[in-house]
Amino acid sequence: EADIYQTPRYLVIGTGKKITLECSQTMGHDKMYWYQQDPGMELHLIHYSYGVNSTEKGDLSSESTVSRIRTEHFPLTLESARPSHTSQYLCASGLAGGTDTQYFGPGTRLTVL
Amino acid sequence: KNQVEQSPQSLIILEGKNCTLQCNYTVSPFSNLRWYKQDTGRGPVSLTIMTFSENTKSNGRYTATLDADTKQSSLHITASQLSDSASYICVVSDRGSTLGRLYFGRGTQLTVWP
Repeated sequence: EADIYQTPRYLVIGTGKKITLECSQTMGHDKMYWYQQDPGMELHLIHYSYGVNSTEKGDLSSESTVSRIRTEHFPLTLESARPSHTSQYLCASGLAGGTDTQYFGPGTRLTVL
Repeated sequence: KNQVEQSPQSLIILEGKNCTLQCNYTVSPFSNLRWYKQDTGRGPVSLTIMTFSENTKSNGRYTATLDADTKQSSLHITASQLSDSASYICVVSDRGSTLGRLYFGRGTQLTVWP
């Protein structure tokens, strides 16, 4: 089982609050990813990182931001949460090159009231 | 546009029965195809991965096939168990970027009844 962790697992907050979703991995992977997944729908890439101080936006536009100050840590921040941000957020990591296998965390289920 | 289409959308089978899930893709240039299992409320876990030159790969009771010419893959589950109830996601990777971009299907929701 992959050593990638996400906290919190569940979060219910009010509109306008600032939140940070945590993601950490202990595998030394350079690449990290954030996906958004709605029920019954495919995963959409919203952010990714090649390594420390590298962050890029993914395919799906998102109002969230990310940072990569340490290899093992890739937090996602929403400055002002809205009900449209309600979704499941999945973090993943992987080695550079090879078969590009990504290892997923358990996800954070976010509900914005 | 690169796409991954899965069928059926959902499937219910009785414990002990076999089933086959389908995946069609248009991703090009093709690098590899993975099947992931995603339990409810959890992140996806890789079951199998196949490159262009491989046409079958097994992992216990899971057997995946790949036809790169027709761009089709299947996942066959033998002697299903209650714990097989999950969403099975087909994921295709392209060779066109250093990112290792993955294209996800919407998954087949499998329910195994006792």
